[in-house]
Amino acid sequence: GESVGLHLPTLSVQEGDNSIINCAYSNSASDYFIWYKQESGKGPQFIIDIRSNMDKRQGQRVTVLLNKTVKHLSLQIAATQPGDSAVYFCAENVQGAQKLVFGQGTRLTINP
Amino acid sequence: GAVVSQHPSRVICKSGTSVKIECRSLDFQATTMFWYRQFPKQSLMLMATSNEGSKATYEQGVEKDKFLINHASLTLSTLTVTSAHPEDSSFYICSARSLPLTTSTDTQYFGPGTRLTVL
Repeated sequence: GESVGLHLPTLSVQEGDNSIINCAYSNSASDYFIWYKQESGKGPQFIIDIRSNMDKRQGQRVTVLLNKTVKHLSLQIAATQPGDSAVYFCAENVQGAQKLVFGQGTRLTINP
Repeated sequence: GAVVSQHPSRVICKSGTSVKIECRSLDFQATTMFWYRQFPKQSLMLMATSNEGSKATYEQGVEKDKFLINHASLTLSTLTVTSAHPEDSSFYICSARSLPLTTSTDTQYFGPGTRLTVL
């Protein structure tokens, strides 16, 4: 069935280092993927998205990589800052389903 | 742009009462709004999809008579939790998807969430 999962439930990195958050998805019909950041007690905040006809997209300090062969998605955060501490969710849009399926989330903590 | 608000942000009610949560798109028109529920340390679970002017589509296992959704305009959707019980305590989050002219047709913008506690 449809599912989006994350390889690591928690990730701890040193401030200034790069962070890589991974996500596996199972539906090959998914045509659009989004990364969201959720801080405690708040709603998810859009970070970056990528369509299935792309394999890489860059934003400000963030890069999303899509590997359709192995159904894998990753979010790279450059020079991680304390403000990056949050739970990160990947979500997939299944073509024709008109809805998002969320992964379980990875909590990113930053060590000073 | 693309701001979604929710009201109230936090509500505490007694068991058996009904609670209404509002979701508004402030600077864009939303053809579709979504309602999610999130338990502590868990992911978002889609409850229902709401299109303006039509009945909501509920996900499997979500009671439509308990979670009433109204999407009366392109900027407002409401979720009413009827006869709330302690097990309905959760974080309820709405999102809105905009019309093509404003931003990506597939991007959902989320509200800040409403924390419901049923005593």
